[in-house]
Amino acid sequence: AQSVTQLGSHVSVSEGALVLLRCNYSSSVPPYLFWYVQYPNQGLQLLLKYTSAATLVKGINGFEAEFKKSETSFHLTKPSAHMSDAAEYFCALGGAAGNKLTFGGGTRVLVKP
Amino acid sequence: DVKVTQSSRYLVKRTGEKVFLECVQDMDHENMFWYRQDPGLGLRLIYFSYDVKMKEKGDIPEGYSVSREKKERFSLILESASTNQTSMYLCASSRRTTGEETQYFGPGTRLLVL
Repeated sequence: AQSVTQLGSHVSVSEGALVLLRCNYSSSVPPYLFWYVQYPNQGLQLLLKYTSAATLVKGINGFEAEFKKSETSFHLTKPSAHMSDAAEYFCALGGAAGNKLTFGGGTRVLVKP
Repeated sequence: DVKVTQSSRYLVKRTGEKVFLECVQDMDHENMFWYRQDPGLGLRLIYFSYDVKMKEKGDIPEGYSVSREKKERFSLILESASTNQTSMYLCASSRRTTGEETQYFGPGTRLLVL
């Protein structure tokens, strides 16, 4: 069975501070892992994905994530938050048949000036 | 750019009505998906399709059906809408290949069932 847990449904950061969003997964097959972002009133767009090529993955808008197999984690970071980073972020797990994804519950990021 | 469009951004329906949500993609993707999004629950898969006229149940198919008569179009049908189907519905598409394929999402349809 596949599952994804995102720790913290809401995160508040100051502009310029580190953004850290946590994601842990459980998978019976080698995982593919994704981070998606959803801005208000929009669909989801891909930030980055892990497909076993490199454990440190760089994405758009200055985000990166590190795959740690021993910790079954794929945490998302950005060194310096910007007001435009206010959004909801979803971690997702692939690798199942049919290219299906299993999503975490989401983390809403608030950026304070 | 990949484009996934959904027929409506907002819908208001009455309990018992039949509701159609339509999704169209322009990238010749084999796979198409319907999710519902609820606060704190993330996205949950309702149905997906990996080819024309093919469909498979996702995690929460009860109360829903789907139709895929053309490759670019995937419809979600609520046979008899109920208030617990009030939600945001998101459509996505991807190439078939392996599990590493990116899914591309439409803007969503916010459905309110009264």
